Amino acid sequence: GAVVSQHPSWVICKSGTSVKIECRSLDFQATTMFWYRQFPKQSLMLMATSNEGSKATYEQGVEKDKFLINHASLTLSTLTVTSAHPEDSSFYICSARKLGTGDEQYFGPGTRLTVT
Amino acid sequence: GIQVEQSPPDLILQEGANSTLRCNFSDSVNNLQWFHQNPWGQLINLFYIPSGTKQNGRLSATTVATERYSLLYISSSQTTDSGVYFCAVEPLGAGSYQLTFGKGTKLSVIP
Repeated sequence: GAVVSQHPSWVICKSGTSVKIECRSLDFQATTMFWYRQFPKQSLMLMATSNEGSKATYEQGVEKDKFLINHASLTLSTLTVTSAHPEDSSFYICSARKLGTGDEQYFGPGTRLTVT
Repeated sequence: GIQVEQSPPDLILQEGANSTLRCNFSDSVNNLQWFHQNPWGQLINLFYIPSGTKQNGRLSATTVATERYSLLYISSSQTTDSGVYFCAVEPLGAGSYQLTFGKGTKLSVIP
């Protein structure tokens, strides 16, 4: 199989605090992971590409100082939303590219962030 | 960047009916995937199909790369098929493995 987990599945935090979201590939190694954001009734928008052992690549318009990404191992990438504000409330989804089997990506179950 | 258009945007089916979802893309692709997003938000991989035809149970998909479109067929639809179906592509030669998603087709299967 190719299972990707995310933790937490949902989180509520107060404005100004930071939240860390973990993305793990459970049964495969992933040199590349991706972070997406999805607003209600909309499609997925790529935020950044996370490469193991190197700096993340951010899409245009995504603040790298606000959305900190770390990809410390071949099975774990983290997204930290710093100084969160209500407009950061969204559904965050990660995906992982399975090493050695082409380009197919597998997605985590998502994390619903609500900032009050 | 590459454009991905899905049609129809919304589809309502009676249980047992068949349907065809379409994905048009504006440039050559290295990767094309179909996903089903369930009501809880989980994206489920349906097909990895940059070209050719694949079948998995009641679902099948065909990608005609030279004409830049892909079709997802759902036969004998069930209420559990409800949700949003996304097509996502990676442009050929980009080397980034990044997927661009279409806006999705929202399918509602009624008993």
